Amino acid sequence: QKEVEQNSGPLSVPEGAIASLNCTYSDRVSQSFFWYRQYSGKSPELIMSIYSNGDKEDGRFTAQLNKASQYVSLLIRDSQPSDSATYLCAVNKAGNNRKLIWGLGTSLAVNP
Amino acid sequence: GAVVSQHPSRVICKSGTSVKIECRSLDFQATTMFWYRQFPKQSLMLMATSNEGSKATYEQGVEKDKFLINHASLTLSTLTVTSAHPEDSSFYICSARGVGISPLHFGNGTRLTVT
Repeated sequence: QKEVEQNSGPLSVPEGAIASLNCTYSDRVSQSFFWYRQYSGKSPELIMSIYSNGDKEDGRFTAQLNKASQYVSLLIRDSQPSDSATYLCAVNKAGNNRKLIWGLGTSLAVNP
Repeated sequence: GAVVSQHPSRVICKSGTSVKIECRSLDFQATTMFWYRQFPKQSLMLMATSNEGSKATYEQGVEKDKFLINHASLTLSTLTVTSAHPEDSSFYICSARGVGISPLHFGNGTRLTVT
């Protein structure tokens, strides 16, 4: 079992719809969770960070964390073609040397 | 805030030469910096972790004598690809974290082409 798992996709949604991206992790004592967006040929950029159970909203993005189920998700409301990218889930384990454990990413395509 | 500057953005060099890539945190102190490599259509691969003032920790399979990392200050880390070969051609990305469990911030990456 991979430490951080994501569906590779591609996830295809129509413009204006809600895109739902999911991530599960194996280490129950993980402390912090991050979603990054990476456009083709570019470096990742931070979208959201979440540290406690529940929802965290920032504009059109909502991160949801459920530590009991070891699950973190990212919802993108009113999806735009410019949201088309690979979304990377990253987890910081407790006691780790501060490096992140990365999922392989989910490719999202928003169709006009 | 949390800007990481990486230079150069693109470099082409001849086989056998060395290339230095700089990574600077512009508005925060980066206690830890990470160097990644990414081949086309593949995921990020962590090469090494560097903490200011100490030796870098390399991931398994990464040659420390080939990829020299220096993290001499809280705002600057460098990666030198020594005796580069065509198979070293890749997208190299640095990232930096401040104190605690702060997020990782990435530089814009360096596309290295070795001819």
